[in-house]
Amino acid sequence: GEDVEQSLFLSVREGDSSVINCTYTDSSSTYLYWYKQEPGAGLQLLTYIFSNMDMKQDQRLTVLLNKKDKHLSLRIADTQTGDSAIYFCAVMLSGGYNKLIFGAGTRLAVHP
Amino acid sequence: EAGVVQSPRYKIIEKKQPVAFWCNPISGHNTLYWYLQNLGQGPELLIRYENEEAVDDSQLPKDRFSAERLKGVDSTLKIQPAELGDSAVYLCASSLGGDEQFFGPGTRLTVL
Repeated sequence: GEDVEQSLFLSVREGDSSVINCTYTDSSSTYLYWYKQEPGAGLQLLTYIFSNMDMKQDQRLTVLLNKKDKHLSLRIADTQTGDSAIYFCAVMLSGGYNKLIFGAGTRLAVHP
Repeated sequence: EAGVVQSPRYKIIEKKQPVAFWCNPISGHNTLYWYLQNLGQGPELLIRYENEEAVDDSQLPKDRFSAERLKGVDSTLKIQPAELGDSAVYLCASSLGGDEQFFGPGTRLTVL
């Protein structure tokens, strides 16, 4: 079945850029997502990209998709302490199932 | 616009007891999902409803778990009897059309 892998932890200094990486196995995935989860809260949809795109920018967020390598990344510019959270990569399986497969999440720690 | 509402937020029960979780999706969203999130992992789909119909329940452990979505709006997920391994966060999500799934805050279940 589909597998989504993420590194578990990332530490950055406030004001720097953060880059969170994700790899997946299903080359026919249609949509790819980034969710943010703060302690004790549900998942907040940050952004998503359709599989026929290679880049999407939304304010401080930039998503890059390399379909050949099955690699997705999320770049957060000017990282702030409020960005500290767990970030989940998720891919939607093809075939009209609307089924999301999530990675285990990357914990982003922002320090002064 | 109100988001996905879940209750209770926290539940502590003894093993072998029954437990139920309730979800009210975003108004007008026809698709409703229940996810299980174990500690340190991403969410995993348990069941998906299109209106009143359960269209994907392949990951739902049917010996002890059951779900319903009467009238195609609110949904209830039940566990009977609960086991120690059921301790997790149960997330509800909803979508209109399936591209964007919006999550509730979850119910954190502790089984003693």
